[in-house]
Amino acid sequence: QSVLTQPPSVSGAPGQRVTISCTGSSSNIGAGYDVHWYQQLPGTAPKLLIYGNSNRPSGVPDRFSGSKSGTSASLAITGLQADDEADYYCQSYDSSLSGKVFGTGTKVTVL
Amino acid sequence: QVQLQQSGPGLVKPSQTLSLTCAISGDSVSSTSAAWNWIRQSPSRGLEWLGRTYYRSKWYNDYAVSVRSRISINPDTSKNQFSLQLNSVAPEDTAVYYCAREYLHAFDMWGQGTMVTVSS
Repeated sequence: QSVLTQPPSVSGAPGQRVTISCTGSSSNIGAGYDVHWYQQLPGTAPKLLIYGNSNRPSGVPDRFSGSKSGTSASLAITGLQADDEADYYCQSYDSSLSGKVFGTGTKVTVL
Repeated sequence: QVQLQQSGPGLVKPSQTLSLTCAISGDSVSSTSAAWNWIRQSPSRGLEWLGRTYYRSKWYNDYAVSVRSRISINPDTSKNQFSLQLNSVAPEDTAVYYCAREYLHAFDMWGQGTMVTVSS
């Protein structure tokens, strides 16, 4: 169902850097629509982490960064911490569907 | 500080109508810089955007293609809230439903979520 594809899981040791990819197409990310990223802790609502491809809302640590290129986007987490264990989702707009779309989600595990 | 408080039943019978309300504090449903959305999440479908309502000199609605024939999202300016109605529900509509504020095209504030089960 999701038109934005993410790896199911990524893992890293505390202090390491991990990246999560979000692959779309010419009708969403490749068409120039912004990508946003959310963090979802177990049993809670998603929380906005990155908006407009690379902007952090107030209160989000600068360990989290976003980028976009072509039909893909990426979220990087540096200095990985135990409380970064969560599910992460990308989100954009798709012109073929005329609606907002989410990625398949990635579970981050801190080893 | 903006807060969204959801209310509504957690159990709906097949073929009936799912109705949820999202009460807004700290912002206005009539804001001309925000939009008010409904999103659901299930293991089988992941996060799925359902639709939104917003005010830009007049009221507008956008709905996802997947539910367009069954959905209605309406503002209530007297109570500063907005609602979701999803008709003719089936078991595959079972999900956690969230309301969310959209600002600069991102969902920056979310309700607490409501688990809705469709079952007889």
